[in-house]
Amino acid sequence: DAGITQSPRHKVTETGTPVTLRCHQTENHRYMYWYRQDPGHGLRLIHYSYGVKDTDKGEVSDGYSVSRSKTEDFLLTLESATSSQTSVYFCAISESNSGGLYEQYFGPGTRLTVT
Amino acid sequence: KNQVEQSPQSLIILEGKNCTLQCNYTVSPFSNLRWYKQDTGRGPVSLTIMTFSENTKSNGRYTATLDADTKQSSLHITASQLSDSASYICVVSGGGTSYGKLTFGQGTILTVHP
Repeated sequence: DAGITQSPRHKVTETGTPVTLRCHQTENHRYMYWYRQDPGHGLRLIHYSYGVKDTDKGEVSDGYSVSRSKTEDFLLTLESATSSQTSVYFCAISESNSGGLYEQYFGPGTRLTVT
Repeated sequence: KNQVEQSPQSLIILEGKNCTLQCNYTVSPFSNLRWYKQDTGRGPVSLTIMTFSENTKSNGRYTATLDADTKQSSLHITASQLSDSASYICVVSGGGTSYGKLTFGQGTILTVHP
């Protein structure tokens, strides 16, 4: 998984509780992303970061916030979890390759269940 | 709206057989197209990336084709193995002001039986 770890790998939480997922990389890549994957949908971008303290919203950012205080760590926070946020969450990293393309490498995923 | 459509949704083949997965997209402007393999319970892993100037690219038993004029791509798997059982995801990267924005297909679930 290209030097990317996610924690926790599985979590069950109750509606209304805050949840933080962590992505850690050892590749020193500039870009980091959070996606969610749900049945019937392709991977959807939640938030991304283009550097330390530089983040921006993706297509499904409502209810989520992120922070990146170090190059290697990207945190995703659900301020008040809802059942609609039950999903598998993937972190990805990217950097420009020799051809100028930004290959994305994905972490192993975190399965979150909100009851 | 940018979309990536994959077909079939699922496919069952016997070990040793070949198969072809299809991807149609409406993303414009276009930068590149990627195919990923996702094993159950794991993150996607890149198989190929093709820009508009490339119309075929191989990675071992995987060969991807791209027709940027018709906005179609295919992934051909030769001499399938049990380990090829996975979801195969087509991803298109936008160009221009949408450079780097990825649009994901829903994937084709391939099952290889012995």
